[in-house]
Amino acid sequence: GAVVSQHPSRVICKSGTSVKIECRSLDFQATTMFWYRQFPKQSLMLMATSNEGSKATYEQGVEKDKFLINHASLTLSTLTVTSAHPEDSSFYICSAREGQLHEKLFFGSGTQLSVL
Amino acid sequence: KQEVTQIPAALSVPEGENLVLNCSFTDSAIYNLQWFRQDPGKGLTSLLLIQSSQREQTSGRLNASLDKSSGRSTLYIAASQPGDSATYLCAVRSETSGSRLTFGEGTQLTVNP
Repeated sequence: GAVVSQHPSRVICKSGTSVKIECRSLDFQATTMFWYRQFPKQSLMLMATSNEGSKATYEQGVEKDKFLINHASLTLSTLTVTSAHPEDSSFYICSAREGQLHEKLFFGSGTQLSVL
Repeated sequence: KQEVTQIPAALSVPEGENLVLNCSFTDSAIYNLQWFRQDPGKGLTSLLLIQSSQREQTSGRLNASLDKSSGRSTLYIAASQPGDSATYLCAVRSETSGSRLTFGEGTQLTVNP
């Protein structure tokens, strides 16, 4: 099956710093990528949808200036958490879909962000 | 607005038992429903995808059913094994939500040896 690689798997940073998370589709071209956030024992909440070469579409309540998403190529999307605060600590997961006709989503292994 | 509910929130069974996980959704206008498995601190693994026109899908010991009109899906796991222990999530792609998936909160399954 398709593989989505997400790095880093875990990051600890100080308040005020920025953190970049990468999501790569290894063996397919991902026209659409999704970024989710998950709090402990809760489900995934969609943050934004990114399409290659265009601006990301953010869900209501998600600050686009804080969570910068770049989908510059068909195999790479990045999420940058700017000026991180302790409340940004969470598990972030990306997923990718190949084209419009392939319905399955393939997920990365997630990134645990801890902001001190 | 689509809402997805999973029952039970947690389930503990002895090895070898057959079990059923339930998922319900409020808006029956869906494109498809997908079941995922999530291990602690990990991403999601897709288990089964059921299109809105389908009634069920099978993969190995897993069988997922879909009753779109009543807004329900079940995931049946036969002859459970300790390695099946994980959180199982269902997610729905609604006709009104574009590309987005709406996830349930999951069922945490523990299979005891």
